[in-house]
Amino acid sequence: DAGVTQSPTHLIKTRGQQVTLRCSPKSGHDTVSWYQQALGQGPQFIFQYYEEEERQRGNFPDRFSGHQFPNYSSELNVNALLLGDSALYLCASSLAGSQPQHFGDGTRLSIL
Amino acid sequence: SQKIEQNSEALNIQEGKTATLTCNYTNYSPAYLQWYRQDPGRGPVFLLLIRENEKEKRKERLKVTFDTTLKQSLFHITASQPADSATYLCALGGANNLFFGTGTRLTVIP
Repeated sequence: DAGVTQSPTHLIKTRGQQVTLRCSPKSGHDTVSWYQQALGQGPQFIFQYYEEEERQRGNFPDRFSGHQFPNYSSELNVNALLLGDSALYLCASSLAGSQPQHFGDGTRLSIL
Repeated sequence: SQKIEQNSEALNIQEGKTATLTCNYTNYSPAYLQWYRQDPGRGPVFLLLIRENEKEKRKERLKVTFDTTLKQSLFHITASQPADSATYLCALGGANNLFFGTGTRLTVIP
């Protein structure tokens, strides 16, 4: 039974570019959440998707957007990348209305 | 906005002793509180969840307490082992999201 898988594992971009990160949830899960984790910090909630809709959003600008597909997989898009966007981006999945969340190992995004 | 503080950035402890990690929070009334373990370069791994109406939860060598009056949770690892060395994250649960603390890096010395 595969857990949460994320791709790519590492990515290097330059300022101003756009990036798309991908996530496949754990089998049987229908809800996907995205988090940003800066070095030495705890994960910060970006948003959550359920039934292909953004259900809740954290304190992140509109440059951060997402999508959920009918098979429950999800994408995180970040436009106009800034140096401060360098972080580990984590995807977590769960079954709607229940806890806990199961995390993938993240995508390490570096902005030059 | 909610604030979550974990007692220290780093904690060193001798093998076999009990490690105690603290999580304090303000401006929030969570329905539940969770503890996760994170190893370098990996995502957080769920350990324990405790609900607001529960005082204590145990799982093998792990124990969590939750005091909603003090707004504090304590996380204990008994008979600690070098393999327990990792960063431990406290997370407060809302309806659809989690708010994490900055974590405590635990090192168990053989």
